[in-house]
Amino acid sequence: RKEVEQDPGPFNVPEGATVAFNCTYSNSASQSFFWYRQDCRKEPKLLMSVYSSGNEDGRFTAQLNRASQYISLLIRDSKLSDSATYLCAVNADYGQNFVFGPGTRLSVLP
Amino acid sequence: DTGVSQDPRHKITKRGQNVTFRCDPISEHNRLYWYRQTLGQGPEFLTYFQNEAQLEKSRLLSDRFSAERPKGSFSTLEIQRTEQGDSAMYLCASSPSGGVGEAFFGQGTRLTVV
Repeated sequence: RKEVEQDPGPFNVPEGATVAFNCTYSNSASQSFFWYRQDCRKEPKLLMSVYSSGNEDGRFTAQLNRASQYISLLIRDSKLSDSATYLCAVNADYGQNFVFGPGTRLSVLP
Repeated sequence: DTGVSQDPRHKITKRGQNVTFRCDPISEHNRLYWYRQTLGQGPEFLTYFQNEAQLEKSRLLSDRFSAERPKGSFSTLEIQRTEQGDSAMYLCASSPSGGVGEAFFGQGTRLTVV
């Protein structure tokens, strides 16, 4: 089993839709969790850190479920500009090796 | 620009040649990471430095790969005797010592081995 798994998609959704991605991790000692956005042939950019209590940033909401070992990302009112690959990242100790999932590709259609 | 900087952005080399990439992290970040990414995959961890100390190396890092961070600032990644399978995007990231440790990436060096 891979350390971090994601559904590769693609998720094709119309503008304005709500879409959710999950990411599961195998290491129960994982301490910190992140969502990154990556545009085609560009570097990953930090979208949000994921806190135990969950957190929201505008149209984006991240949740952590330690018992089931997954994190989720919810995007409300999708925009065309949200089209990208969304990577989750997990590390077992603050500042140590980040393990990335393979990414989930999202296409928001007009 | 105060972000992570990588040089060169693109490198085409012939099989068997050596290549070296440079990464300049965000100035106050003492942690530096190297990752490799191929099409359709997430970044794969290669190695990690805290200041000048190389604390972790992936099994992916064969003896043809070496990384240094001599003064705890910029880092170099060298690949000796390149193979076609080394063709990938090589990404550098840095993170601060405090907080939850978010990593910030440079724009990457795209290596093509022909």
